Amino acid sequence: DSGVTQTPKHLITATGQRVTLRCSPRSGDLSVYWYQQSLDQGLQFLIQYYNGEERAKGNILERFSAQQFPDLHSELNLSSLELGDSALYFCASSRGWGETQYFGPGTRLLVL
Amino acid sequence: AQTVTQSQPEMSVQEAETVTLSCTYDTSESNYYLFWYKQPPSRQMILVIRQEAYKQQNATENRFSVNFQKAAKSFSLKISDSQLGDTAMYFCAFMLFSSNDYKLSFGAGTTVTVRA
Repeated sequence: DSGVTQTPKHLITATGQRVTLRCSPRSGDLSVYWYQQSLDQGLQFLIQYYNGEERAKGNILERFSAQQFPDLHSELNLSSLELGDSALYFCASSRGWGETQYFGPGTRLLVL
Repeated sequence: AQTVTQSQPEMSVQEAETVTLSCTYDTSESNYYLFWYKQPPSRQMILVIRQEAYKQQNATENRFSVNFQKAAKSFSLKISDSQLGDTAMYFCAFMLFSSNDYKLSFGAGTTVTVRA
């Protein structure tokens, strides 16, 4: 158990819908990262937050957004969902800059 | 942009034997970290080992060790005394230390099957 929690574990929804994925980092970790794992794209970095502020964006679609709250938990919002958004979404956290990232169990999203 | 290449999609090894996974990366930077993560059938991503580029000594964690060749940009993982629980997909990952984002860039992964 990495200490990173993600909810829900599984999510099934329809095209066009909006969902919110939640992540709680390890105690004391200030950085949160979101990754997407799909069969065709592999593991891709989406976005990073550090102590409530957005620090970097990767291959994140405009339909996706995220935030990190004062208690350091983070949410990833996916809207206008398409079939191709079906993937495993991971949250990872680290103490600070350039430190080892520990991954949560992931949220498996299926868009029908 | 940094790229990470794992050239072996699948590998099979007999229990108690040794297997080595290959990873190469491309960067013009000198300050970075390298990682191996393991993803068993549960899909959880588990850190196996970490190597700082400034360290010449190869990292070791129990039965897992790396061969880090900085000039060749090579970072292989050796699993000794393979166990059934080592069956998983293994990802090599690169993190640039001098950037603002510290994101991980992953290879495509190598599926390792340990046979009884």
